[in-house]
Order: sequence, then C-alpha cells, then structure tokens
Amino acid sequence: AQSVTQPDIHITVSEGASLELRCNYSYGATPYLFWYVQSPGQGLQLLLKYFSGDTLVQGIKGFEAEFKRSQSSFNLRKPSVHWSDAAEYFCAVASGGSNYKLTFGKGTLLTVNP
Amino acid sequence: GAGVSQSPSNKVTEKGKDVELRCDPISGHTALYWYRQSLGQGLEFLIYFQGNSAPDKSGLPSDRFSAERTGGSVSTLTIQRTQQEDSAVYLCASRPTRYNEQYFGPGTRLTVT
Repeated sequence: AQSVTQPDIHITVSEGASLELRCNYSYGATPYLFWYVQSPGQGLQLLLKYFSGDTLVQGIKGFEAEFKRSQSSFNLRKPSVHWSDAAEYFCAVASGGSNYKLTFGKGTLLTVNP
Repeated sequence: GAGVSQSPSNKVTEKGKDVELRCDPISGHTALYWYRQSLGQGLEFLIYFQGNSAPDKSGLPSDRFSAERTGGSVSTLTIQRTQQEDSAVYLCASRPTRYNEQYFGPGTRLTVT
C-alpha cells in the first residue's frame, strides 16, 4: 500500500530564511506526487505536482520540489520565506489507474518568525 | 472561474442525528472525491466518483456513511446516526478527466455534540 511520511511535525524559520520540508513516499510504481498548503480554516491549495520528466518542478508562490527516486523523496523548498507562508503543508501520493485517490502525509506546520 | 464549493461551512449536530454535506465541483470535472480531516487520523480518503458512479468506496468508515452524485455534478455525503468520532472537517475535491491534480473545496466542519 502507498504511504507518505513527513518527518517534521513543526518547523519554525525566520522571515527571509530558506526552507526545506521533507517528504518520503512508498509506492510500487512511478509515483504521482503533490504538495498542498492549507491556511487556517481553509481548504487545500495545490502548490506543485510531479508526474514524470524533469525531477525539479516549479510551483506557485516561489516553491519548488525535487523528486529523487533513489531516496524515495519529494522535498519542498523555498529560497526565502515570507510571513504569509505560515501554514500547514501536506505531501501526497496518488494511486495509479484512473482513480488517482490521494494518500497524504500527516503534514508539517510552518511558523515564520519576523 | 468558480472553484469547488461546499455547504454548510459549519454544522453542529446532536449525537444520533443524520447530516447531509453538499459539494459542488468545478464545472466539467468528471471525478469527485470526499476526504475527511481529523486531528487523530489526518487526511483520509472516503470515496471516489467518476461521473455518477462510485467505483471506490473503500474509505467509508462504516455503513452509516453514504454518498451520491447526480447529473455528474453535485454530490451529497450523508452520515446517519452521527457519533462523536464523526467530528471532523469533510473536504471535497474535483478533478478534470485528463489530468491528475485535484482541486479542493473549503470543507465542512462537522461537530457532533
């Protein structure tokens, strides 16, 4: 069965600092991978996705993620964090076939200090 | 264009009552999903619709939970005889046929007292 692990429950960074959120997945075939962000009281917003091809993918709000098959990882990065990036971040893997249901990690809560 | 909408945004109900949660997907999206988000379990898949049929109901936690979709559009998730453990945020998502990404609604926060 597919699974996603986000090792960091809570991360605190200073505004302007760089950010890396970790994600490890378990999936038998080539995975479809996603990062979503959730602000308090809001739904999930898609930041970026990986299906195939270039292993470095760019998303919205200046985020990027790198797919590393050898490490089963899909870490999210941002070079300079803004206070508005404070939110909860979820990594997810989609099943194949025509279903594409998502299996999510437990999430990483990001706090940004001024 | 309009995103996925859900109603109500908040629902407080007494234990044992039935509740209905509604999802309006993005127009033209043939796939629709329900997920549940709770503190203890995180984000969990409940059910997947393709058109009006539900080929994957594997995430429904008990037979008190059911869902339907009509006209390939609106979906309703029904919870009968609600229990306190049903308290959670219920999220709906839709997906266009040819693409893999899902677009989420704002959720319905259900509180069972």
